[in-house]
Amino acid sequence: SAVISQKPSRDICQRGTSLTIQCQVDSQVTMMFWYRQQPGQSLTLIATANQGSEATYESGFVIDKFPISRPNLTFSTLTVSNMSPEDSSIYLCSVVGGFSTDTQYFGPGTRLTVL
Amino acid sequence: AQKITQTQPGMFVQEKEAVTLDCTYDTSDQSYGLFWYKQPSSGEMIFLIYQGSYDEQNATEGRYSLNFQKARKSANLVISASQLGDSAMYFCAMREFNAGGTSYGKLTFGQGTILTVHP
Repeated sequence: SAVISQKPSRDICQRGTSLTIQCQVDSQVTMMFWYRQQPGQSLTLIATANQGSEATYESGFVIDKFPISRPNLTFSTLTVSNMSPEDSSIYLCSVVGGFSTDTQYFGPGTRLTVL
Repeated sequence: AQKITQTQPGMFVQEKEAVTLDCTYDTSDQSYGLFWYKQPSSGEMIFLIYQGSYDEQNATEGRYSLNFQKARKSANLVISASQLGDSAMYFCAMREFNAGGTSYGKLTFGQGTILTVHP
């Protein structure tokens, strides 16, 4: 299995600021994704992080709000821009491939609170 | 239309007993994958088990098994010999595939079932 780390594990931020979340995998993976879990809710896919090209965003999510980078096969960042209290969520990185496409693993998550 | 339905908001089970968590799904695709994850209060998502739509046998991983009934579009998780540490939120999810048949990787999640194991 892949070992996935995320930084920071949690943060409390002020309205209007931005936060960049890092996702590091211990092996090369085919696909990386960013999910959001709002309080008391299920997980929703924000975007697919594509290596060397622009991320593919799901309906309701835009690049200006959630810019994503993926410079190589083991690392990605998600930025939450111009934050509001509605952005308070757990943000999770997820990966597929490199070991088995029958599994999909998640990082430990970043718990974000926006005041 | 909701693709993954978990009808049990909460379930209770006695320690050492077995419990079944329900999951039904909706898809017109022939090729898809079904996952179960455990989310303890810490928030991490722990992969439990995977079932491919073409797999003829039900998936098993230790105390976890997946009761896959393709015609009924159900993929129930069975946890045998429940332990106190099994108390958590459990999510069922479905993976879609693109037109070429390769994994797109997007998971659609159900709303989850909170499992509480009593001593």
